[in-house]
Amino acid sequence: DVKVTQSSRYLVKRTGEKVFLECVQDMDHENMFWYRQDPGLGLRLIYFSYDVKMKEKGDIPEGYSVSREKKERFSLILESASTNQTSMYLCASSAIGQGNYGYTFGSGTRLTVV
Amino acid sequence: AQSVAQPEDQVNVAEGNPLTVKCTYSVSGNPYLFWYVQYPNRGLQFLLKYITGDNLVKGSYGFEAEFNKSQTSFHLKKPSALVSDSALYFCAVRPPANDYKLSFGAGTTVTVRA
Repeated sequence: DVKVTQSSRYLVKRTGEKVFLECVQDMDHENMFWYRQDPGLGLRLIYFSYDVKMKEKGDIPEGYSVSREKKERFSLILESASTNQTSMYLCASSAIGQGNYGYTFGSGTRLTVV
Repeated sequence: AQSVAQPEDQVNVAEGNPLTVKCTYSVSGNPYLFWYVQYPNRGLQFLLKYITGDNLVKGSYGFEAEFNKSQTSFHLKKPSALVSDSALYFCAVRPPANDYKLSFGAGTTVTVRA
């Protein structure tokens, strides 16, 4: 069974900390995405990557950065965590040209910044 | 710009009754439309999609959706709801030429009472 794995289900961090959220997929997908999910707002795209070392801003990139050094791994970085970044973070992947099959999502990381 | 609207935050139905979750969209060109479901503390699971062809598409767990181009709608339906269908449902749309621009609605919480 294909998988997108997010390293942590729950995280609690302090304001100002640097936070790393890790995502690994085993499907050899080219595309990887980071979304944040907030009640009443649905999913909003933070960043995506279509190849190793390539990245593009999504709709809400402010306060975030990403890293993709290997095809299977896509990391989301909060340079200096703030309380308004408390949210559920979802990673997803898809194969190039097969976006019509939808994305495969990880189980999510619920981040609380205190 | 593309967008998705799910006009109902919550839908409540009795088990055995029909279930409908509404979705309308706006996108340039012919849309690629998706429904996802999210169970508590889990990632999103793909339910079904419309790319082209028959306006009525069938998906997982007995769900189906009807594409209506004139009304720009893609409502999710199930003839007989189960308590286990209680979850958060998301509609999503993207333009055909762009794998990276999947936009989600705010989500509809479905509660099926026994």
